[in-house]
Formats: sequence, structure tokens, C-alpha cells
Amino acid sequence: AQSVTQLGSHVSVSEGALVLLRCNYSSSVPPYLFWYVQYPNQGLQLLLKYTSAATLVKGINGFEAEFKKSETSFHLTKPSAHMRDAAEYFCAVRSQGGYNKLIFGAGTRLAVHP
Amino acid sequence: GAGVSQSPRYKVTKRGQDVTLRCDPISSHATLYWYQQALGQGPEFLTYFNYEAQPDKSGLPSDRFSAERPEGSISTLTIQRTEQRDSAMYRCASSLARGAYNEQFFGPGTRLTVL
Repeated sequence: AQSVTQLGSHVSVSEGALVLLRCNYSSSVPPYLFWYVQYPNQGLQLLLKYTSAATLVKGINGFEAEFKKSETSFHLTKPSAHMRDAAEYFCAVRSQGGYNKLIFGAGTRLAVHP
Repeated sequence: GAGVSQSPRYKVTKRGQDVTLRCDPISSHATLYWYQQALGQGPEFLTYFNYEAQPDKSGLPSDRFSAERPEGSISTLTIQRTEQRDSAMYRCASSLARGAYNEQFFGPGTRLTVL
């Protein structure tokens, strides 16, 4: 069975500081991995995805994530946080079965303070 | 439409009542997904449609939950005899097709509260 674990339900950083949101996955097959962001009163928006090409994936808004098979991790980073990055972030893995059923982690709420 | 829309955005109902939630996907998107998101949790898969077919409904919590997409476009999710544990955000997503490279576009969700 596949699963996703996000360490830290809340992360707080200063504006301009490094953002690091952690995601570990469990999968018996090579995984497809995703990061989504949810702003208040909006739907989930895709930040980036890993589909077995380059292990360092760049996404929108300056975010990137690195796939590390040995650590079963797909952590999300951004060098310098902005106030507008405050949102909830979800890591997800594509389920086996030939279609895009996503299995999500519990989410990490990112707060950015001046 | 330009994006995925869902209605109503908020629904408050009394225990035992039936509710129907609606999802209008991006036009031309063949695949449509329903997820349930409890407070403090990530979305959990309920079911999906490929056009009007419903190949997987393994995530529906009980037979009180049903979904349909009769013409391969708009979909409804119906919960019969609602219970307090059904309170959650219900999210709909659509994608051009069901392969791994097809991004899912999510609607804003319907927040259901069962009193």
C-alpha cells in the first residue's frame, strides 16, 4: 500500500528565510509524486510533480523539490519565503492502478511572519 | 468552463437529511474525481469517472454515498441519511484524461456541516 507522511503540521518562518516542508512516501513501485498548495477559500493548485525524469523538480512561485529514493523523501523547498507563501501544502503520491488517484498527506500549514 | 466549479460552496443540514453536491468540470475533461477532506487531514479519494463510466468507487465510505455523471460532464455526489461524521470538505477535480501526466484541477470545494 502507498502512503504519504508530512512531518510537521505547522511550520513558521520569517520572511526571507528558507522554507523546508518535509514529505516521506511509501510505495512498492516507482512513485509519481506531487506537491499541491491551498490558499484560503481556493481549490488545490499544483506546485510541481515528479514523474521519474529529473530528480530535482522546479515548480511555480520559486518552489522546488528533490526526489531521493534512498530516503523515500520528496521535500519541498524555497530559498526565500514571501508573505504570499502562507498557505497549506499537501504532498501526494499517485496510486497504482493506471489512473490518477492521488493519496495525500495530512498537510503542512506554512506561516510567514515579518 | 474556465475552471472547476462546485455548488453549493457551503451546506448545513440536519442529521438524517439527504444532500446533493454538484461539480462542473473543465469542459472537454474526460476524467473527474471526488475527494473527501476532514478537518486537519488531506483529501481522501472517494470515486472517479472516466466520461460517464465509474470504474472505481472503492473510496465511498458506505452505501449512503453515491455519485453519478450521466452525460460525462457534470457530476453529483449524493449522501443519504447524513450523519455528523459526514461533515467535511468535499472536493472535485477534473483532468483531461486519466494518465499520470494529466494534471488534476481542483474546484474550491463544498463544505458540508451536519448538525
